[in-house]
Amino acid sequence: EAQVTQNPRYLITVTGKKLTVTCSQNMNHEYMSWYRQDPGLGLRQIYYSMNVEVTDKGDVPEGYKVSRKEKRNFPLILESPSPNQTSLYFCASSLTSGRAGELFFGEGSRLTVL
Amino acid sequence: AQRVTQPEKLLSVFKGAPVELKCNYSYSGSPELFWYVQYSRQRLQLLLRHISRESIKGFTADLNKGETSFHLKKPFAQEEDSAMYYCALKRWNNDMRFGAGTRLTVKP
Repeated sequence: EAQVTQNPRYLITVTGKKLTVTCSQNMNHEYMSWYRQDPGLGLRQIYYSMNVEVTDKGDVPEGYKVSRKEKRNFPLILESPSPNQTSLYFCASSLTSGRAGELFFGEGSRLTVL
Repeated sequence: AQRVTQPEKLLSVFKGAPVELKCNYSYSGSPELFWYVQYSRQRLQLLLRHISRESIKGFTADLNKGETSFHLKKPFAQEEDSAMYYCALKRWNNDMRFGAGTRLTVKP
């Protein structure tokens, strides 16, 4: 089944404890992106990647890192999480040609930083 | 600046009433616009894209370049239309940017 898989789905952590949210897609998509969803603010882009080894900042990159060493994986790294990073995170992927623009989303990862 | 604006965070209508979710954009090139929907406890998913000029679940959206708008419309709202709706703009490099979203509630 074609899908985007995120892990963990739920996580409670403490300030300063490094964590990684993994994202994997099995559709051979070039484009991948991370968003955070907050009440009243909607979806805000954190980082995106046009292809392997190509990443760029979105609207709210502060406090996050990403890497794209393989086409299928695009992990989101919080080196020193803070309470303002408590949010619902979504990973998404798409082609960059043909039916480009049809984003496929993961189920979301709800992160709480105490 | 490339920006997508959804002026209404909340919209409530009665079942059977027409509904219009507003979306305005600013973009210097030729825009490609989309509507995404998130039903309760489901993943975000594509609803429709302007280049397809299709009607999905009774919804349509017309790109108006003069008014830089891409409003989503449905003549008769149903309770199952209650969801979060996001307007999105695909930029020249295929990167996608979203508006803040509108939560639609259709009351019985």
